[in-house]
Order: sequence, then C-alpha cells, then structure tokens
Amino acid sequence: DTEVTQTPKHLVMGMTNKKSLKCEQHMGHRAMYWYKQKAKKPPELMFVYSYEKLSINESVPSRFSPECPNSSLLNLHLHALQPEDSALYLCASAVVSGANVLTFGAGSRLTVL
Amino acid sequence: TQLLEQSPQFLSIQEGENLTVYCNSSSVFSSLQWYRQEPGEGPVLLVTVVTGGEVKKLKRLTFQFGDARKDSSLHITAAQPGDTGLYLCHVTGFQKLVFGTGTRLLVSP
Repeated sequence: DTEVTQTPKHLVMGMTNKKSLKCEQHMGHRAMYWYKQKAKKPPELMFVYSYEKLSINESVPSRFSPECPNSSLLNLHLHALQPEDSALYLCASAVVSGANVLTFGAGSRLTVL
Repeated sequence: TQLLEQSPQFLSIQEGENLTVYCNSSSVFSSLQWYRQEPGEGPVLLVTVVTGGEVKKLKRLTFQFGDARKDSSLHITAAQPGDTGLYLCHVTGFQKLVFGTGTRLLVSP
C-alpha cells in the first residue's frame, strides 16, 4: 500500500460546527504532515508529527487541533472556523521527519459557511 | 519574504512547445524536490536533486540543481496537454519545510 487516504473528500460546515478531517497511511512512515492550500497558491505547512509527537506547529490558530492516535492515523479537529479557513487540506507522510520525499493524499476540500 | 521564488507564475503554451520553470532562493539547501499537482489532487513527486550541478531526466522533463544549491530549473520538451498542472519546488533541508510560489502550466492542444 503506497497511498495516503484522506476523508472526507468534501466537507461543508458552519462556523459553530465541530468536525474532523482524517488521514491514514500504511507505509510504515513515521512522519505525518498537515498542509493548507488556498486556490492557486502553494500548500502551506501547518503541523508536523514525528513518531506520533507534534514536532512543528507553524503558529496555527487553536481552532485547528491536530491529533496523531497512532503511527498510521492523523486527524485534524476543526472547531469555530471562519469562512477564510475554507481551503484544500492536504495530508502527507514521509519515512521520517526531514526526509526528502513526501507522499500526499488527494486532500479534503473544506468550505466554511 | 518568500524562501523559494518560482518564475513564471503562469504559463500558457501550445502543445509541442518547450518551456523552462525556475526556482530561486538566496539560501543553500541540502536537497530540492519538484512536484506536480493536478486539479483536485495532492502534489506528486517528480524528482529529488541533491548534488550541486546535478541534472536528472524524466522522459521529456529535465531537472537541474544549481552549482551552489540555491536554485533549480525544470525544462519540458515538446509539452503535451497531460503536462498541465501546478509545478512546485520544495525544500526539506536546514529545518526548512516549504514549497515555492508555484508555476501554473496550461498546455493547449
């Protein structure tokens, strides 16, 4: 299995909702990443987990809460989001943190109303 | 200040034309990657370059890492509509994890 699977593919939520994005990989990778991508822009790094521990938080607002329950799963919990948070959220994994090659999922398209 | 500047930002060409995309920085990196992203998908790795002056070829795509490891270029020969997408350079050296500003390529039949 050489894929990173993200669910849901599309999510529409109100500003008072609580929702979660999920990411799964079974390649034995020990680094997992969340990126945010706005239309026609490059992905922006949000969080990095290394061996299930948060190693990088790029000053992301607390309404985004990452979680890494085990080495195969990565969640992004969403609460009280703003319309400007609407974007494509990409998950990626790598053999280890700092490795050259990232494997990306297809992304979760989030719309905040 | 953007760490990795790509040029051009957007390129619209006809099938069969050649093109070059540039990725420039004032910093030195231990390695640099090129990704291509199609609409509705995540970026897919094309190549990693590690050594200054290195040239790698992937079918009609030629990648070069600058001698000083501060810049890179991607040359596409005889572009095809399937080459359409967002091309992104990316670095993972010296605690940096960042994409370039991106180049959107549109190849028309």
